[in-house]
Amino acid sequence: DAGITQSPRHKVTETGTPVTLRCHQTENHRYMYWYRQDPGHGLRLIHYSYGVKDTDKGEVSDGYSVSRSKTEDFLLTLESATSSQTSVYFCAISEPVQETQYFGPGTRLLVL
Amino acid sequence: AQSVTQPDIHITVSEGASLELRCNYSYGATPYLFWYVQSPGQGLQLLLKYFSGDTLVQGIKGFEAEFKRSQSSFNLRKPSVHWSDAAEYFCAVGARGGADGLTFGKGTHLIIQP
Repeated sequence: DAGITQSPRHKVTETGTPVTLRCHQTENHRYMYWYRQDPGHGLRLIHYSYGVKDTDKGEVSDGYSVSRSKTEDFLLTLESATSSQTSVYFCAISEPVQETQYFGPGTRLLVL
Repeated sequence: AQSVTQPDIHITVSEGASLELRCNYSYGATPYLFWYVQSPGQGLQLLLKYFSGDTLVQGIKGFEAEFKRSQSSFNLRKPSVHWSDAAEYFCAVGARGGADGLTFGKGTHLIIQP
């Protein structure tokens, strides 16, 4: 398995609360991604990073921000959580040569 | 914009029977195609991928997939399913090998009957 960890693995929070999810990799891969998974939608890309301090938006980026200050860490922040952000969040990593994404175990977030 | 369609939300197959999961994609250039499997409560595991070359690709766990450009399809097959194959299967397409992120289908839930 690719060395990807996500924390926390489960979180319950209240509407309006800020939330930060962390993705940590030990593979030194250049690219990192955040997806959300919802029933009937598959996985949808939120944001991605192609290097330290280099990030870009994905399909469903509204309400989310990201930061990458080190190669190994990619943070996803919900500035003010809403119930529509209740989801399972997956981090993924890849390398340009391999061009295959490997996924972390996921974080289950419930916004009440 | 690229897109992926998995026409079957659920498929039920008897153990030992053959399996085919359908995937159709829309992409303007040569696609990079992937199949992932997700067991309940787990992350996604890569089954196989197609970048170029031989259109029939072999993956893990006895799965294979065939790329058909004329039909814009990348169907997943297995000659004989096992109860442990019960899971959610996702087809995905990427540009430049997915460096900008993958576009996923909505998934097919595979049920195995004894």
